[in-house]
Amino acid sequence: EAQVTQNPRYLITVTGKKLTVTCSQNMNHEYMSWYRQDPGLGLRQIYYSMNVEVTDKGDVPEGYKVSRKEKRNFPLILESPSPNQTSLYFCASSLSGQSNTEAFFGQGTRLTVV
Amino acid sequence: DQQVKQNSPSLSVQEGRISILNCDYTNSMFDYFLWYKKYPAEGPTFLISISSIKDKNEDGRFTVFLNKSAKHLSLHIVPSQPGDSAVYFCAARGDRGSTLGRLYFGRGTQLTVWP
Repeated sequence: EAQVTQNPRYLITVTGKKLTVTCSQNMNHEYMSWYRQDPGLGLRQIYYSMNVEVTDKGDVPEGYKVSRKEKRNFPLILESPSPNQTSLYFCASSLSGQSNTEAFFGQGTRLTVV
Repeated sequence: DQQVKQNSPSLSVQEGRISILNCDYTNSMFDYFLWYKKYPAEGPTFLISISSIKDKNEDGRFTVFLNKSAKHLSLHIVPSQPGDSAVYFCAARGDRGSTLGRLYFGRGTQLTVWP
């Protein structure tokens, strides 16, 4: 089954403790990205990757890192999480970065930083 | 700066009637527009899309209309069903300049279809 898988689905952590949210897709997609969803703000792009070893900042990259060492995986790293990073996070992938390709989303990771 | 805007945070419609969700955008470099549907505790799922070279695209009960001169698009759902109750996100992509590789979302509209 074609899918985007995020782990964990739920995470509660403390301020400053490094964490990684994993994202994996099995569709051989070139393009992957991370979004956060906050009440009243919709989905905002954090980082995106057009292909292996090619990443770029989205609208809200501060406090996040990503890596794309292989095509299927695109982990989101919070080196020193802070409470304002409490949010619902979604990973997405699409065949390419071209405009006429739809993005497939994972089920989300709800992160709480206390 | 919000480049894709959904000005109605919520919409309530009776079952069987038409739901119309609206979306405005500001960037003329957008080439492709998409609508996503999101249920609670799930990721957004793709619903329907339209290229900037078209003004209408239809898929079953769902039709998207694009008015490029007004930078406006709308999603029509006819007839509306209770299972359509969800948050609907409008999104836009482009192949040029600052839009390359990006997917911009509106803030979403909560649609509630009541029996």
